[in-house]
Amino acid sequence: AQSVTQLGSHVSVSEGALVLLRCNYSSSVPPYLFWYVQYPNQGLQLLLKYTSAATLVKGINGFEAEFKKSETSFHLTKPSAHMSDAAEYFCAVRTTDSWGKLQFGAGTQVVVTP
Amino acid sequence: DTGVSQDPRHKITKRGQNVTFRCDPISEHNRLYWYRQTLGQGPEFLTYFQNEAQLEKSRLLSDRFSAERPKGSFSTLEIQRTEQGDSAMYLCASSAGTGGYNEQFFGPGTRLTVL
Repeated sequence: AQSVTQLGSHVSVSEGALVLLRCNYSSSVPPYLFWYVQYPNQGLQLLLKYTSAATLVKGINGFEAEFKKSETSFHLTKPSAHMSDAAEYFCAVRTTDSWGKLQFGAGTQVVVTP
Repeated sequence: DTGVSQDPRHKITKRGQNVTFRCDPISEHNRLYWYRQTLGQGPEFLTYFQNEAQLEKSRLLSDRFSAERPKGSFSTLEIQRTEQGDSAMYLCASSAGTGGYNEQFFGPGTRLTVL
């Protein structure tokens, strides 16, 4: 079975500082991995995805993530935080069945301080 | 393409009442998913439709829950005899295709509060 673990339920970062959100996965097969962002009272928006092509994946809003098989990690980074990055971020792995459903981590709440 | 829509956005009900939520997927998306998200947690899979066929139901979906997708278009999720533990955000997502990777597009969710 596939699963993801997000380290840190809350992260506080200063505006302009590096954003680093950690995600480790468990999968018996090469995984498809995703990062989603959720703003208050809204649905989830896809930031980026890893589907076994390039290990460094660039997404929207300046975010990127690197797939490291040896570390079973897929950490999300952004070089310079903006106030608009304040949101909840979810890492997810696609299950191996034919339906494509997603298994999500518990989420990391990002607070950006001026 | 107006995205995935859900109705209502918020629902407050008393314990024991029945509620029904609606999801309108992106047109021509044949895959539709329902997830439930409780406070402080990530979304959890509830059920999946491919066209009008319900192909998987999570163990989270007790017999008080039922979902339909008539004609493979919109979907409804009904909860009978609601309990306080049903309070959550119910998310709908849709995607295209029948195999391989296809991005899931999420709706804004329906937030249910059971008093």
